[in-house]
Amino acid sequence: DIQMTQSPASLSASLGETVTIQCQASEDIYSGLAWYQQKPGKSPQLLIYGASSLQDGVPSRFSGSGSGTQYSLKISSMQTEDEGVYFCQQGLKYPRTFGGGTKLELK
Amino acid sequence: QVQLQQSGAELVKPGSSVKISCKASGYTFTSYDMHWIKQQPGNGLEWIGWIYPGNGNTKYNQKFNGKATLTADKSSSTAYMQLSSLTSEDSAVYFCARQWRYYFDYWGQGVMVTVSS
Repeated sequence: DIQMTQSPASLSASLGETVTIQCQASEDIYSGLAWYQQKPGKSPQLLIYGASSLQDGVPSRFSGSGSGTQYSLKISSMQTEDEGVYFCQQGLKYPRTFGGGTKLELK
Repeated sequence: QVQLQQSGAELVKPGSSVKISCKASGYTFTSYDMHWIKQQPGNGLEWIGWIYPGNGNTKYNQKFNGKATLTADKSSSTAYMQLSSLTSEDSAVYFCARQWRYYFDYWGQGVMVTVSS
């Protein structure tokens, strides 16, 4: 199975601050990566797919980048509504696997 | 609009089985794979398997072979997951999610399954 490792496990950011979350795959996943946001008591929401494509309706302050085994999610200007847990997911092979999550809080 | 409406919370006894549902609306149910994903409290997400409602084909995470059984009813646009021989390790929230490309674009609201005597 492809292991997905996220870092950091948690972080806090001030309003307007730039936030970056990392995701490392145990093997090359050829940009087959998605990012999700999950708020307490809710289901995950797809933010980014194909490593860098923004899902419809997602604010443009979210962006994704990376290749090979290293990927990142950037929030260019932290907003209150961005609090939550962020997960990466590889879409290259079965079983589909997720990162352990990064909890983002407002400072 | 696409919606995945899951059944309600379940409290079940160890050793028993439970069947949870996921009713799809707003799209052609038989044209998209439906996946199931487990989330234990405070933990991450674990992929269980998928079913293609168009022909009933399934694929499972080896870890859930014998634990989960996926079915679908085309007449009611509803996907089902049965979990058997339940233990405390099966206590979790279970999501259904529609596959789009290689990802999950719509999710159900989740079903909390609690295994307790």
